Amino acid sequence: AQSVAQPEDQVNVAEGNPLTVKCTYSVSGNPYLFWYVQYPNRGLQFLLKYITGDNLVKGSYGFEAEFNKSQTSFHLKKPSALVSDSALYFCAVGAGSYQLTFGKGTKLSVIP
Amino acid sequence: EAGVTQFPSHSVIEKGQTVTLRCDPISGHDNLYWYRRVMGKEIKFLLHFVKESKQDESGMPNNRFLAERTGGTYSTLKVQPAELEDSGVYFCASSLNTGGSPLHFGNGTRLTVT
Repeated sequence: AQSVAQPEDQVNVAEGNPLTVKCTYSVSGNPYLFWYVQYPNRGLQFLLKYITGDNLVKGSYGFEAEFNKSQTSFHLKKPSALVSDSALYFCAVGAGSYQLTFGKGTKLSVIP
Repeated sequence: EAGVTQFPSHSVIEKGQTVTLRCDPISGHDNLYWYRRVMGKEIKFLLHFVKESKQDESGMPNNRFLAERTGGTYSTLKVQPAELEDSGVYFCASSLNTGGSPLHFGNGTRLTVT
């Protein structure tokens, strides 16, 4: 069975500081991994994905994530946080099946 | 291109009533998915259509839930009769392909059963 863990319910960071939102996963086979962001009263928006290739993937709005197979992690990062980055972030994993398994989400608050 | 649209955005019903949620996927997307998020918990998979066929319905909670996608275009998700634990946000998503293809989500329908 697939699973995703987002160990932090909330992450607070000062504007301009680097941010990290953590994600670890468990899956059989080679994973494909996603990050999505949800703004209030909106649907989930795709940020970035890892399928194969370079372990560091770059996505929308200056976000990036690093796939670490040995640690089964896929942490989301951004060098300099903006207040507008405040939102709910979801990590998701799949592996050869059609359905994605999502984490519980991490609320990111960027403090001016 | 128009995104995934869901209707209604909110629905408040009493226990025992029936509710039907609708999803219009992005045009040309054969793959349509329903997910549900109960307050503060994971987004849970419900089912996956490929065109009009149910590819995977392993996430459907019980037989009070019925999903259809007649003609392979829009989809409906009916809950009959609704129970309190059905409350949550129901998301629809579509994708062009499966596997590593990103899902495009609608804004969701917030269902409250009282």
